[in-house]
Amino acid sequence: EVQLVESGGGLVQPGGSLRLSCVAYGFAFRNYEMSWVRQTPGQGLEWVSYTSSAGSAIYYADSVKGRFTISRDNANKSLFLQMNSLRAEDTAIYYCARAKFGSPKVAGGPYDMWGQGTMVTVSS
Amino acid sequence: DIQMTQLSSSLSASVGDRVTITCQASQNIGNYLNWYQQKPGRAPELLIYDASNLETGVPSRFSGSGSGTDFTFTIISLQPEDIATYYCQQYDMVPYTFGQGTKLEIK
Repeated sequence: EVQLVESGGGLVQPGGSLRLSCVAYGFAFRNYEMSWVRQTPGQGLEWVSYTSSAGSAIYYADSVKGRFTISRDNANKSLFLQMNSLRAEDTAIYYCARAKFGSPKVAGGPYDMWGQGTMVTVSS
Repeated sequence: DIQMTQLSSSLSASVGDRVTITCQASQNIGNYLNWYQQKPGRAPELLIYDASNLETGVPSRFSGSGSGTDFTFTIISLQPEDIATYYCQQYDMVPYTFGQGTKLEIK
């Protein structure tokens, strides 16, 4: 089945770290640009970070720049988000999302596939 | 950052009604505008991309139009399974930004 499966969420204290993972199934992961998008409880959607298919181009939202690191392992069809210095406002459901193939835009195109999401709670 | 404004945070309509949701961008984004549907407890799903292109497998009762700063999403005949929250998203410039969502309910 073609899908994305996230893991790694949980409860962490402010200032702590977490590493999210997203594994791709059923498609040629190495060919696709990928992003992380988060959704705060009861609120809307916020783009977090982007990586090109080879990992050579990376972008971050200002709210996470310097604290979060996106990476990928194409051999193992995996996407990661290392989150350090976590704050209460980082509490959200984190989704990995695949960009539709062939977009001309610098950080990928429409998200045509999403994972089920993994919940991150930052609280003491 | 480009601000995306959905003029209605909620809408109520009857089965069979025509429903229109509008989205405004704070600057010209061409046609780099997508629409997503999100049902409770589920991830968003892409319905319309590049303002007016129907994603594969999406029913033809959904459509989108617009360019520049003003965009419209339409359901020509509302079905019970269309109850969800709908988001617009611009991908013209980083950071890609979403509207705040329009929650669609059955009257």
